[in-house]
Amino acid sequence: NAGVTQTPKFRVLKTGQSMTLLCAQDMNHEYMYWYRQDPGMGLRLIHYSVGEGTTAKGEVPDGYNVSRLKKQNFLLGLESAAPSQTSVYFCASSKQGVPNQPQHFGDGTRLSIL
Amino acid sequence: QKEVEQDPGPLSVPEGAIVSLNCTYSNSAFQYFMWYRQYSRKGPELLMYTYSSGNKEDGRFTAQVDKSSKYISLFIRDSQPSDSATYLCAMSANTDKLIFGTGTRLQVFP
Repeated sequence: NAGVTQTPKFRVLKTGQSMTLLCAQDMNHEYMYWYRQDPGMGLRLIHYSVGEGTTAKGEVPDGYNVSRLKKQNFLLGLESAAPSQTSVYFCASSKQGVPNQPQHFGDGTRLSIL
Repeated sequence: QKEVEQDPGPLSVPEGAIVSLNCTYSNSAFQYFMWYRQYSRKGPELLMYTYSSGNKEDGRFTAQVDKSSKYISLFIRDSQPSDSATYLCAMSANTDKLIFGTGTRLQVFP
């Protein structure tokens, strides 16, 4: 049972390039989340989804887009990467929305924008 | 002012010590309180979950919530080197979103 799997684990981009981060969960969870984690800032919610085909903005959505075409997958896109988007990105999923169920996290994608 | 404040540490203690980790918050609507543990280069994992005020105990871990003071604590008894990690508090006001503290890095040395 893999839980939440994030790909890639590491990536270096140049300013202006685009990329997509993939999150996959095998727990049949309804809710999925994308966070970024920066020193001194903690985990901040970028976007989230309450079910297949739905997305919603979190605390820091600017510069990112998401899609949830399949229940098990949640994609995070950077259309034109900026150095300020250098961060560690975590995906999480939960059976229901907080606070009823814990969020299960992947091991992160470390992204550097040069 | 951040909604949730947490001392980043690092907190360094000898094996066997009692560890106290704390968070303060400003939003009186928070009702659900969690502690996550994050090992280096790993994702956070839920450690403790408490609803409203009171205490909850699970093995060597005790979570306390004092809503009147807007203060939550996590106590670790008989700390072990394997407890060395970053501990994140998280809170929710019955919404779809968790608000996380910045995390406290704990080091337990043998």
